[in-house]
Amino acid sequence: DQQVKQNSPSLSVQEGRISILNCDYTNSMFDYFLWYKKYPAEGPTFLISISSIKDKNEDGRFTVFLNKSAKHLSLHIVPSQPGDSAVYFCAASGDSGYALNFGKGTSLLVTP
Amino acid sequence: KAGVTQTPRYLIKTRGQQVTLSCSPISGHRSVSWYQQTPGQGLQFLFEYFSETQRNKGNFPGRFSGRQFSNSRSEMNVSTLELGDSALYLCASSLGGLGEKLFFGSGTQLSVL
Repeated sequence: DQQVKQNSPSLSVQEGRISILNCDYTNSMFDYFLWYKKYPAEGPTFLISISSIKDKNEDGRFTVFLNKSAKHLSLHIVPSQPGDSAVYFCAASGDSGYALNFGKGTSLLVTP
Repeated sequence: KAGVTQTPRYLIKTRGQQVTLSCSPISGHRSVSWYQQTPGQGLQFLFEYFSETQRNKGNFPGRFSGRQFSNSRSEMNVSTLELGDSALYLCASSLGGLGEKLFFGSGTQLSVL
């Protein structure tokens, strides 16, 4: 049972434009949300996180928005760069403590 | 500061065999988690250890087991390998608090023939 869903398997964006990656979750007990980026043949690397007491968190070009009532979060990348091309995973934790529940990922391609 | 180290990087086994994967966490990290990634799937949680104790276990059969040593290094074992066990196995370490970000290794790519 997938509790974290990323419904867009892929996304293509032009360099300089905004990339918006979406994530939905079903478990209302989740209270920490994280985004990871993964390049082929490498492990995921942490990008940005947000706790359920906030609705927005920014770190440079990356901003995560959380809408608890809709059980939805999104990652905005502005401006998008070709080096951002990777698979992005949304993850959530809180109901079972220390395990992260991951979505299936969205493959982002930023074209020059 | 050295990152999370996983060995071996690649592994080829045949059905019915068993395999042991190793993970060395970042120095000072006491929590080690294991995840399985298969094509088309997200990362699926296997188990998490903190100070040699298993705190969480995912929904995997008993063929999958793990342990953590006093130096926080961890091993994962899969017995009676099946074709469906072919996957990238990722180890991650953290300080161990709730909501802590995980630092992942590059993974062990296991192929079961």
